[in-house]
Amino acid sequence: QMQLVESGGGVVQPGGSLRLSCAASGFTFSSYGMHWVRQAPGKGLDWVAFIRYDGTNENYGDSVKGRFTISRDNSKNTLFLQMTSLRAEDTAVYYCAKDRRLRFLDASDIWGQGTMVTVSS
Amino acid sequence: IQLTQSPSFLSASVGDRVTITCRASQGISSYLVWYQQKPGKAPKLLIYAASTLQSGVPPRFSGSGSGTEFTLTISSLQSEDFATYYCQQLNSYPLTFGGGTKVEI
Repeated sequence: QMQLVESGGGVVQPGGSLRLSCAASGFTFSSYGMHWVRQAPGKGLDWVAFIRYDGTNENYGDSVKGRFTISRDNSKNTLFLQMTSLRAEDTAVYYCAKDRRLRFLDASDIWGQGTMVTVSS
Repeated sequence: IQLTQSPSFLSASVGDRVTITCRASQGISSYLVWYQQKPGKAPKLLIYAASTLQSGVPPRFSGSGSGTEFTLTISSLQSEDFATYYCQQLNSYPLTFGGGTKVEI
């Protein structure tokens, strides 16, 4: 079945960096756009970034633009989120999610279980 | 584009008809999605394109609206429907979510 598994979360100091990974299985990863969405403790959902199925286009939320980079390796069925200049307000569970439709921006029909990132000194 | 959900909290009973509203700060055609999230779990897709039910979602869920005003309706609330519901717009970047509506007993 289609599955997404995030990894790479942990505790990092303010100003530090972290790289999250999302391993995909059960579907043709290279045919779908992918998202990162986060949720701070006790708060709502916050869209972070999107990458096109072929990696040729990326978009970011205003709060992470210039600090986070989304990328993908279609040969390894893996999505990444490189996070730099981390702030306390970046503390959240980070989810990766798959577009519902082939090659078009769409609703996210498959989500990972999430990985926790804590930014604290 | 800002999405404003109302109410933020809703108390209801099993069997009730429940309606949640999502208002967009500018027109988004039908590029509106609804998700359900339970504590400690990832969101689950309920409705896309404002009114199309995702495969496997019970027909008691329905969505309507276009432009700036949208609604999610649960025709007869079941115990498993107690959760938080979010709308999301896909009309333009940055994509945005509403603040959520928590449906409580």
